[in-house]
Amino acid sequence: DAGVIQSPRHEVTEMGQEVTLRCKPISGHNSLFWYRQTMMRGLELLIYFNNNVPIDDSGMPEDRFSAKMPNASFSTLKIQPSEPRDSAVYFCASSLVRPINTEAFFGQGTRLTVV
Amino acid sequence: GQQVMQIPQYQHVQEGEDFTTYCNSSTTLSNIQWYKQRPGGHPVFLIQLVKSGEVKKQKRLTFQFGEAKKNSSLHITATQTTDVGTYFCAGYNFNKFYFGSGTKLNVKP
Repeated sequence: DAGVIQSPRHEVTEMGQEVTLRCKPISGHNSLFWYRQTMMRGLELLIYFNNNVPIDDSGMPEDRFSAKMPNASFSTLKIQPSEPRDSAVYFCASSLVRPINTEAFFGQGTRLTVV
Repeated sequence: GQQVMQIPQYQHVQEGEDFTTYCNSSTTLSNIQWYKQRPGGHPVFLIQLVKSGEVKKQKRLTFQFGEAKKNSSLHITATQTTDVGTYFCAGYNFNKFYFGSGTKLNVKP
C-alpha cells in the first residue's frame, strides 16, 4: 500500500480564493482525520470521519471550512474563501478502529500559503 | 473539555545524555499513542499503550502509561543525533485523538 496520499503537496493561493485539499486514506481503514499544524497552535484536529460519516467537526475553525468524504477512498477539505491566517500544513491521517483504535498513518501533508 | 498537556516544550541535550517528555491528560484515557515528527516531515507512529501501568521498550526508548491512565512518559537513553525531532503523545478517548503540543528535541553532537 502506498500509504495515505495527499494532494497537492504545496499550494499557494491569493486571499479570497477557494482551496481544496485532497486525501486518499489507506485501503481498509475506517477512520479518517484532518489536522492542521502551525507553529503557534501545534497539531489541531479539525474533523474526524468514521465509516465516511463525520463524527466530530468541533475543531473546524469556522464556516469557511468544510470537509466531505463521499466514499471510503476519498476525502476533501475545502476552504472558501481562504485567508492568510489559514496558512499552515494540513495533514490527513487514517486508521482502523475495531473497536479500539490502531495507529494513525499520516500523509505527507499539504503546505498551504495564502497571500 | 479534554486536554492533553505535554512538557517540556523544548529540550536541548548533548549527544549521549538522556531525555524525557511527559504527557498529562485532564481525564482518563482509553489508550495513548506516541508519534515522532522529523523536521519537515509528518508524524510517524512509535507505540501504543493500553493497560494501566504498562511499560514498553523499543531499543533506547522506554514508554510508560500511568496507573490512573491519565499520564504517560517517553524516555530516551543516551540520545543520538538521529533522535532529533518533535515527539507527540496522543490520548484516545470517545473515538477522538487529543494530541499533546509536542516536545521538540534537539541533540548537539
